[in-house]
Formats: sequence, C-alpha cells, structure tokens
Amino acid sequence: EPEVTQTPSHQVTQMGQEVILRCVPISNHLYFYWYRQILGQKVEFLVSFYNNEISEKSEIFDDQFSVERPDGSNFTLKIRSTKLEDSAMYFCASSETPPGREGGYTFGSGTRLTVV
Amino acid sequence: AQKVTQAQTEISVVEKEDVTLDCVYETRDTTYYLFWYKQPPSGELVFLIRRNSFDEQNEISGRYSWNFQKSTSSFNFTITASQVVDSAVYFCALSDPYGGATNKLIFGTGTLLAVQP
Repeated sequence: EPEVTQTPSHQVTQMGQEVILRCVPISNHLYFYWYRQILGQKVEFLVSFYNNEISEKSEIFDDQFSVERPDGSNFTLKIRSTKLEDSAMYFCASSETPPGREGGYTFGSGTRLTVV
Repeated sequence: AQKVTQAQTEISVVEKEDVTLDCVYETRDTTYYLFWYKQPPSGELVFLIRRNSFDEQNEISGRYSWNFQKSTSSFNFTITASQVVDSAVYFCALSDPYGGATNKLIFGTGTLLAVQP
C-alpha cells in the first residue's frame, strides 16, 4: 500500500524558532495538503498545493507559514517563528484528482509539534 | 458553506454492545464525498470509508456499517458488537472535489468512543 511519510514524528522547539515539517506524498498524487489538529480538537485544513503553487489556504495559514515542494518528492511546511499556540499535530495528505480508490485521500501519520 | 456536525462528544459502551455514531453535514453541492476516519490514541488518522453523494446504498464491512441518507443529510456509522480495540475518536468529514479547486476535507469535531471491558 502506498503511504504518505512524515518526518519527524515528534518535534520539540523553542518559541520563536523556525521549524520545517517534512512529508513525502504518494508519487502519482497531484494535490498535497497540510492539516493541523490542536490536542483534543478537530482536524483543520491549513493549505492545499497543486502544480507547484498554493491553490487554497485557510485563515489559519498566515504569513508565519509557508509550503514548498523543493525537489519533486518532498513537501514541506515551514513555520517561521513558532508560538506556543502552534503546538499541535500536523498531518500531511495527498490525493488524486478525481478521488481514487482509497478515497483518493491518504494521510500521513502526523508530526506532533511541541513549542516550549 | 460546508459543515459537518457530530453532536455526540463522547459515548461510553460496554463491550459487545452496538453503538451508532451520528454525522450530519451541510453542503450546497450536488456532488460530494463523505468520509469516516478513526483516530486511535496513537494519533494517526485511519481511513474507514468514503461514500460519494450519488451512492445511497448502505455499506457493511465486518462489524462496521454505514447508513447514508441524503434526505436528512446524515451519514451515520454503526459498530456492531463493539470491542475494546474500537476505543478511539471517530471523525466524519466532507469533501467537495468539483465545486472547489482543492478537494480539501472539512472535519466534524469527532466523537470519542470508549468501550469498557
């Protein structure tokens, strides 16, 4: 089964530091996403990325956030200057268009970011 | 606007009981997909099912079954003969792959299911 791979699984960072969360989407998928889940809350859409550019972003995705597909396989989420409230689980996902057999939507296992 | 409501915040059952998790959605689109995901304590999102808006047939997979009713905008999930391993948070989600450009998922707030031995 193809997988979406996220690294690291857990990252602890000091407030104000920059962090980069990494994802390797499924190779034949065209859309890439980042979602965030604050502990005990629902999963929220952050941003989608298609054809090497952002196709949609939520109001959560402010200037502190950026995404990049630097080398055709990795998909990264950068938070420039982390705040305490950025502590959350971050999920990467990729999808086919139109949705494929597994719902065309595959999530990675998440990166738990803790800002101290 | 699209919205998913899971009114049940927490449900506690005893093993072998049947349990139904409710999901009500709102969308103006005629073509959409509905999903259920399981999130065990380890935190990952485990895909359970996808259903498109044109397919109202109920589905059964082992102890799991899903009841999609377009007339009431509901997509409920039933676990028959629950087991302790079913304890998790369950999320219902809605996507609109054609109305928007991005195919993003809109999640409900989740239902925490606790199955007691």
